Amino acid sequence: SQTIHQWPATLVQPVGSPLSLECTVEGTSNPNLYWYRQAAGRGLQLLFYSVGIGQISSEVPQNLSASRPQDRQFILSSKKLLLSDSGFYLCAWSRQGGEQYFGPGTRLTVT
Amino acid sequence: EDQVTQSPEALRLQEGESSSLNCSYTVSGLRGLFWYRQDPGKGPEFLFTLYSAGEEKEKERLKATLTKKESFLHITAPKPEDSATYLCAVQEGSNYKLTFGKGTLLTVNP
Repeated sequence: SQTIHQWPATLVQPVGSPLSLECTVEGTSNPNLYWYRQAAGRGLQLLFYSVGIGQISSEVPQNLSASRPQDRQFILSSKKLLLSDSGFYLCAWSRQGGEQYFGPGTRLTVT
Repeated sequence: EDQVTQSPEALRLQEGESSSLNCSYTVSGLRGLFWYRQDPGKGPEFLFTLYSAGEEKEKERLKATLTKKESFLHITAPKPEDSATYLCAVQEGSNYKLTFGKGTLLTVNP
């Protein structure tokens, strides 16, 4: 069976500090990978998606970036966090198109 | 204009009181409509995929239906453990992306 991991579960970071969130998937090969942010009252917003190693598509211009160094690893980064980056960050995977399966999420608070 | 609109925003039911949640969408070329359940502080849990008008899927007390403009999630005789936020999402054409609604917060009181 497939499993998706995210860490850390919770993070408190000061404004201007860097960020690195990691997501890994087990039990499948060549998955599509996605990063979402969920803010209160705004629903799930797609940030990045990847269909293969080194292939990243950005959906929303911002100070975040994503990388996929390995087939089942997806990383979300920032060089300098803003207050507006606070939120619940979710990683998901899918087989090609179709339903997406989500990880447990990372709660990020920027202070 | 939102492509996916869910209603109501919040719904409070008594245990055993059946009801329905609505998801209306405006995308053309629907590839799939998805329902998820999300508990507080956790990632969404996949429930159903519907592909074409007239399709229905069931899981325990939940049944999802699809028309050309909307989907319903019917909850029959709900229990307190059904309390959660239910999210609807659509996938359009050959796009991998899912567009989510803002969800319906369901509370079932014992």
